[in-house]
Parts: sequence; C-alpha cells; structure tokens
Amino acid sequence: DAGVTQSPTHLIKTRGQQVTLRCSPKSGHDTVSWYQQALGQGPQFIFQYYEEEERQRGNFPDRFSGHQFPNYSSELNVNALLLGDSALYLCASSLSAGGADTQYFGPGTRLTVL
Amino acid sequence: KNQVEQSPQSLIILEGKNCTLQCNYTVSPFSNLRWYKQDTGRGPVSLTIMTFSENTKSNGRYTATLDADTKQSSLHITASQLSDSASYICVLWGSQGNLIFGKGTKLSVKP
Repeated sequence: DAGVTQSPTHLIKTRGQQVTLRCSPKSGHDTVSWYQQALGQGPQFIFQYYEEEERQRGNFPDRFSGHQFPNYSSELNVNALLLGDSALYLCASSLSAGGADTQYFGPGTRLTVL
Repeated sequence: KNQVEQSPQSLIILEGKNCTLQCNYTVSPFSNLRWYKQDTGRGPVSLTIMTFSENTKSNGRYTATLDADTKQSSLHITASQLSDSASYICVLWGSQGNLIFGKGTKLSVKP
C-alpha cells in the first residue's frame, strides 16, 4: 500500500515563474492538505481540498492555488514566484472525517527560487 | 506570538539517555494534540495523538503527556537511539479543523 507520494522531489525556478507540484494521497484517503515549511520552521497550512473543492485556506496569497482531481490526487500551483517561496512543500492526506484522524504526510517537494 | 511554542529549540544528548521535550500552547478549544517526528528533508510522521481529555499516550519509547489546565504537553523519549535524531513537532488540531504547528525541537543523539 503506497503512502502519500509527491513529485517532483526537487525543483529550481527563477523569480516570476510559475510552478506546479503534485500529490497522490494514501490509498483510501479523500482529503488533501498542503503545507509550506520554510527552513527551520514548522509547516504552515496553505489549504485543504475535499470533493474537488477548496474546503479551508490558510493565510496565503491568491498566487497559491490548487486543484483536486476525481481520483483524489491534487496539485499546488504557485504563480509569480518570489524568493520567499523557497521552502519544502508538504502534502498530507486524510479521511474526510477529520478530527482525531491521522494525517499522513508525503516526503515533500523542495522548491528553490533563484 | 505563536500559538504553539516548543522548547528547547535544539537538544543534544548521548545515546541511551532519556530526554523530555516541551510544548506550550494557547490554542483553545482544540480537538487533539499530536507529536510528529520529522527527519531532515522528509515529511512528518505521527508519533502520538491525544484528545484534550487524555493525560498520556505512549508509542514504544515515546510517551506524550497533556495538562489541559496549564496548556502544556511534553514528549518523553526513553533510552534514546541514534535514529531518534530528528525534529519533533507539537501540533494542535484547532476547532476550525486546521493543524497548528510548533516550530519543533531539533534533537541530536550522539554515540
């Protein structure tokens, strides 16, 4: 049973470019959450997708957008990249019941913006 | 001020020794409190989950405690191993269904 997978593993972009990160949830999970983790910091919640819709959103600008597909996989898009967007982007999947359910994290995508 | 504060920021211990990591929070109410282990460059892995009514939860050599009155949690690691070297993150599941992360404690276990 594959856990949460993310692609690519590493990515280097320049300021102003756009990037798309991908996530496949753990088998049986229907909810996907995205987090940004700057070096030395804890993850910051970006948004959560359920039933192909954004269900919750953290304090991130509209440059950050996402999508969930019918197979529950998800994409995170970031437009007009800034140097400060350099971070580890984590995807976590869970069951829609939430609450005490454990979120399973993927290995992350390391984004470097030059 | 962060809603979840962890201490110490970093810790170095010798293999075989015990250690305790602290988490103070202001989030209220919350559904549950979690401790995660995160290896460098990897995603966090859940160690324990406690609801606000639980006082302690164990997972092998890891024991988490929760004091809702003082809004403190601790993670105790017994008989540390080299593989315990990682960041340990305290996380609260807030009332709005979002996870609120601490910055973590970086633990280094030396031989």
